[in-house]
Amino acid sequence: EDQVTQSPEALRLQEGESSSLNCSYTVSGLRGLFWYRQDPGKGPEFLFTLYSAGEEKEKERLKATLTKKESFLHITAPKPEDSATYLCAVQVTKDKIIFGKGTRLHILP
Amino acid sequence: GAVVSQHPSRVICKSGTSVKIECRSLDFQATTMFWYRQFPKQSLMLMATSNEGSKATYEQGVEKDKFLINHASLTLSTLTVTSAHPEDSSFYICSARDPGRGSTDTQYFGPGTRLTVL
Repeated sequence: EDQVTQSPEALRLQEGESSSLNCSYTVSGLRGLFWYRQDPGKGPEFLFTLYSAGEEKEKERLKATLTKKESFLHITAPKPEDSATYLCAVQVTKDKIIFGKGTRLHILP
Repeated sequence: GAVVSQHPSRVICKSGTSVKIECRSLDFQATTMFWYRQFPKQSLMLMATSNEGSKATYEQGVEKDKFLINHASLTLSTLTVTSAHPEDSSFYICSARDPGRGSTDTQYFGPGTRLTVL
C-alpha cells in the first residue's frame, strides 16, 4: 500500500535554530515528491517538486532533498514567520498524489 | 502565476440543504482539477479528479451522487454537496495543474472552503 509518513508530528524551535523535517514514503513507483506549506485555515502553498534521488531544491531558508526512500526539508536559521504546517506529498499515478499528515512547526521568537 | 481561487471561503448551512463550491484557475487554463477534503489535523484526502468536458473520476468510498462535480470550462470546476449532513462538515480544497509551467505534475491549491452543516 502506498504510504507517506512525516516526522516529527510537531516541532518547536527557537528563532535561528536550524533543523530538518522528514518524509518517508513507500510507493510502487515514485513519479514526483512535493513539499507544501499550509497556514491555519488556508490551502497548501507550493514549495518544491523533486523527481529523482540526489536532487536538491532551495528557496530562502528552506532546502529539500530526496533519496530513494525519504525526503528532508531542512530549515536554516528559521524565523517566526516560518511557523506553519509543512506537508509532503507523493505522486503515485498521473492524477493522484497522497499526502502525509504534516509536521506542525512553531518557531519561538 | 498559477493562482487558484475558491468561493465561498466559508459557508454554514442547515442539514438537508445543498451547497455549491466554485474553484477557478485565474491565470491559466486547467483541463484537470482536483477536489480534496481535510479534517482537523489530518491529511488532505483526494475526493475526485475533475476533467473539463467529461465526467469526474471519484476515489473509492466517495459518493458521486452526494458530491456532484461539474467542470464546464477550462477555468471553472464546481463541487456541490447535496443534502448535506453534519458529518459532511469539513475543509474542502481544490487544486489544478498548470500545463504551461515547467513541472506539469505540480498541483496548485486554492485557499479552501470551510463547510459547517448544522
